Amino acid sequence: DAGITQSPRHKVTETGTPVTLRCHQTENHRYMYWYRQDPGHGLRLIHYSYGVKDTDKGEVSDGYSVSRSKTEDFLLTLESATSSQTSVYFCAISEYYTQYFGPGTRLTVL
Amino acid sequence: EDKVVQSPLSLVVHEGDTVTLNCSYEVTNFRSLLWYKQEKKAPTFLFMLTSSGIEKKSGRLSSILDKKELFSILNITATQTGDSAIYLCALPSDLETSGSRLTFGEGTQLTVNP
Repeated sequence: DAGITQSPRHKVTETGTPVTLRCHQTENHRYMYWYRQDPGHGLRLIHYSYGVKDTDKGEVSDGYSVSRSKTEDFLLTLESATSSQTSVYFCAISEYYTQYFGPGTRLTVL
Repeated sequence: EDKVVQSPLSLVVHEGDTVTLNCSYEVTNFRSLLWYKQEKKAPTFLFMLTSSGIEKKSGRLSSILDKKELFSILNITATQTGDSAIYLCALPSDLETSGSRLTFGEGTQLTVNP
């Protein structure tokens, strides 16, 4: 258990609404990541953070923004959700070159 | 661009069988290769491989890396129904900020029938 929690664990929302997912860690890790997982694509990196207020884009960042105001929290925001953002979202932290994942958030956009 | 290809994508076996899962890769700057197991939840870490020819072992699972031929295999002996999961292979690549990002393969869906 890497001390990572995600909230909410499940969410159903409508197209065009804003959505924020939260990742919380208890072990003071510098790096945090957001991935999405879809059939046929595996896990893909959305955004990552390398410190408070320090973030950068991953390979599928369009339509997503992130913020990290405290070491322990990394927020992922969908400004205006679309059906293509229906997915399972995982947060992760890294130790050296290994990453550990949170329990995931299943998001459905209708 | 880093690339990770896993095969087969899907595999159905009977309890007691031995299975071999494959992961081939192309990466600019090799650091390590990671294996994860994913049941109906988050991926959980299995192995990290950094050196060719050195087997990592955990119970009935073992893995080995070939850096010359750019692949790794994950073996599971005497499979059990609890081994049913998606097995993911991933490679870290350096970020500009000196962290690492993971490039994942698509995964192998293993189903073990009683």
